[in-house]
Amino acid sequence: EPEVTQTPSHQVTQMGQEVILRCVPISNHLYFYWYRQILGQKVEFLVSFYNNEISEKSEIFDDQFSVERPDGSNFTLKIRSTKLEDSAMYFCASSGNSGPTDTQYFGPGTRLTVL
Amino acid sequence: AQSVTQPDIHITVSEGASLELRCNYSYGATPYLFWYVQSPGQGLQLLLKYFSGDTLVQGIKGFEAEFKRSQSSFNLRKPSVHWSDAAEYFCAVGEDTDKLIFGTGTRLQVFP
Repeated sequence: EPEVTQTPSHQVTQMGQEVILRCVPISNHLYFYWYRQILGQKVEFLVSFYNNEISEKSEIFDDQFSVERPDGSNFTLKIRSTKLEDSAMYFCASSGNSGPTDTQYFGPGTRLTVL
Repeated sequence: AQSVTQPDIHITVSEGASLELRCNYSYGATPYLFWYVQSPGQGLQLLLKYFSGDTLVQGIKGFEAEFKRSQSSFNLRKPSVHWSDAAEYFCAVGEDTDKLIFGTGTRLQVFP
């Protein structure tokens, strides 16, 4: 069964450093998402991406964040200058179509720890 | 604003016992409702979803959920829990866009 994969599973970085979290969505999917979950809190939507551009973003997704689909398979989330409060589990998801009626398939997550 | 509440942070049941996980939502229109499960080291897996029609929805792994508009609830049930059901369960509501709004999750522990 096709699945969404994410690398690395755990990333430790120093405050102020840049990090890139990588995701490989399901191959025939066209819509991509990033969510995050700070420990003990809700899973929060960050951004959705379609046709090489952001289709929606939350207020969390400020100028420190960017997303890219650099090739036909990867979907990345970059945090330019990490802060302590960026420590969280980051989930990538993909779906074949847009809208809430289409299932979003999630990866296992990347745990980001900012020291 | 839309929100999802899962009042139970942690539930413990014995294997073979029945299970009900609670979920309440706040949303103005007819909601799109989901239950996801996360096993350790795994991604969020969709158990079931409700868009319209029959308010009792069947999902994978023997789970079902019932949409009750009058109570703004979408509780997840299973008649007999297996040890492999131990995981974190997330209720979510979908808007008219792509965004899913999640609850804080309920951790299920199953004793033999």
